[in-house]
Amino acid sequence: GDSVTQMEGPVTLSEEAFLTINCTYTATGYPSLFWYVQYPGEGLQLLLKATKADDKGSNKGFEATYRKETTSFHLEKGSVQVSDSAVYFCALRRRGNEKLTFGTGTRLTIIP
Amino acid sequence: KAGVTQTPRYLIKTRGQQVTLSCSPISGHRSVSWYQQTPGQGLQFLFEYFSETQRNKGNFPGRFSGRQFSNSRSEMNVSTLELGDSALYLCASSLEGGRAGDEQYFGPGTRLTVT
Repeated sequence: GDSVTQMEGPVTLSEEAFLTINCTYTATGYPSLFWYVQYPGEGLQLLLKATKADDKGSNKGFEATYRKETTSFHLEKGSVQVSDSAVYFCALRRRGNEKLTFGTGTRLTIIP
Repeated sequence: KAGVTQTPRYLIKTRGQQVTLSCSPISGHRSVSWYQQTPGQGLQFLFEYFSETQRNKGNFPGRFSGRQFSNSRSEMNVSTLELGDSALYLCASSLEGGRAGDEQYFGPGTRLTVT
């Protein structure tokens, strides 16, 4: 079945550091890939997405590229801020299916 | 445009009881999905409703059920509650559902505690 494996947390970085959160997936066909972010006490917010191989999703300084050859969708940001502290989830969705399959989440804490 | 709303936000129930959670999707959205979030199992898909029909179902026991009304509002019901049902229940809506690129928007969730 479909699965998403993402970097175990927690991850603690200093402000302005470079961020990478690894995500790899297993799925048949060509799923769409997503990064969601969850702030304390809130639901999930879509951060970025990519729907086909080599697509790059970007938003709020975050980027991720759909790599079919390595089945990966790593999240990166060049300079993190304290406000980026949250839990980040990588997810996939098969075409024609509404179900999202999530990774376990990575808790990110940014220290001033 | 108002976002996805879920009621109630917090709920405490006793083992053996049943509970009903409500979700109002974004206006114009016809697909509603439900997810369970727990520290041990993470985020797991429960089911999806579209035009009042269940279109997709996750791997949960029959105690978990749902429905969707003609105005796209959805409810989920859990009968004979168990301690392990304590979780954050998230609802998500999208325009048509099931299409690549059709974004899902999540509500704030209902935190259910079973004692």
